Amino acid sequence: DVKVTQSSRYLVKRTGEKVFLECVQDMDHENMFWYRQDPGLGLRLIYFSYDVKMKEKGDIPEGYSVSREKKERFSLILESASTNQTSMYLCASTTGSNQPQHFGDGTRLSIL
Amino acid sequence: DQQVKQNSPSLSVQEGRISILNCDYTNSMFDYFLWYKKYPAEGPTFLISISSIKDKNEDGRFTVFLNKSAKHLSLHIVPSQPGDSAVYFCAASDKETGTASKLTFGTGTRLQVTL
Repeated sequence: DVKVTQSSRYLVKRTGEKVFLECVQDMDHENMFWYRQDPGLGLRLIYFSYDVKMKEKGDIPEGYSVSREKKERFSLILESASTNQTSMYLCASTTGSNQPQHFGDGTRLSIL
Repeated sequence: DQQVKQNSPSLSVQEGRISILNCDYTNSMFDYFLWYKKYPAEGPTFLISISSIKDKNEDGRFTVFLNKSAKHLSLHIVPSQPGDSAVYFCAASDKETGTASKLTFGTGTRLQVTL
């Protein structure tokens, strides 16, 4: 089974802090994704990556950046956390087109 | 601009009956569709998918129907069980080169299966 592991289930940070969310997958997938889930808005794509050191903006990249130094690891960075970034963050990976994405259990991030 | 729409935020169905969850899309370039199930405090779990070359795909109690002319898909769960109570997300990806694995999600439908 595909395993996507997010480093924290719950995280509380303060406004203005730099926040790192880590995601690791164990299936040698090329593609990795970061989403946020908010009530009534579904899952919205923040950033994705097709390969090591490669990144592309999703639908809501503002206020975020990403890093992919190794194939199995994809990090989401909140450069200066704000309260409107309080959300559930979900990482996913897949082998390629027309294949389902596999999700981690999410990180519930609260910015105070 | 919501390209994938789930117009019913919630649905309640009795155990043993059929659950029908609906999804509409606007992007004619979408060619692969998926349904995910999500329990609270967990990540979405893949349920079933369908390619645009098909109009039906079945996996046990779950069947997905695709009507390309109407840009509509539906998920049927028969028979519904209490453990099916969750939020269900519809998702789609398009043929555009380089983004073929990128998914666009709907807003979700909360299914409650009652005893």
